[in-house]
Amino acid sequence: SQQGEEDPQALSIQEGENATMNCSYKTSINNLQWYRQNSGRGLVHLILIRSNEREKHSGRLRVTLDTSKKSSSLLITASRAADTASYFCAAAGAWVYQKFYFGSGTKLNVKP
Amino acid sequence: ETGVTQTPRHLVMGMTNKKSLKCEQHLGHNAMYWYKQSAKKPLELMFVYSLEERVENNSVPSRFSPECPNSSHLFLHLHTLQPEDSALYLCASSQDLDLWSYTFGSGTRLTVV
Repeated sequence: SQQGEEDPQALSIQEGENATMNCSYKTSINNLQWYRQNSGRGLVHLILIRSNEREKHSGRLRVTLDTSKKSSSLLITASRAADTASYFCAAAGAWVYQKFYFGSGTKLNVKP
Repeated sequence: ETGVTQTPRHLVMGMTNKKSLKCEQHLGHNAMYWYKQSAKKPLELMFVYSLEERVENNSVPSRFSPECPNSSHLFLHLHTLQPEDSALYLCASSQDLDLWSYTFGSGTRLTVV
């Protein structure tokens, strides 16, 4: 399988703490993306990091990519209750055309 | 609203019924996708359409039949489904196949009884 796989499966923290989620994938990629899903809703794109980038920031989000280890991490700083959601990484490779492979997600619960 | 609209939001159907899921986007995107999301499983890519042509059928059973009449609309026709087909069905679109990111709809929660 060429899926992105997130770790941990579930994470519970207090508001104000940082949340770190990890993602591993199995094949070479063009880019890796993180998405967020509120319960029972569609996925919302958060951030994209290209294979030649090592770190990227967007607001309270920080993403790192280590292509040698085929892994990525998403850090949410100063978490808020509204950050409670499932977070997915999507590894985008290049075959005949670019395809995404999603993992099962990390379920983040931020307690107020 | 993301720009990708899925209807209905919820659907309960019997195993002998025929129903259709609808997805609509007015983002000017040329590629559209159906994903299936079951509990505690990775999202499964079902079908990929580019400029109304199907470019991928990811070993999906024939009881699921997609239709893309134009680049703004995508349907998933359902017939003689099984209870294990109960899931959240997500539609997504992207500018083209060499995509940078998807825009997802809110999904249709399907329950097969």
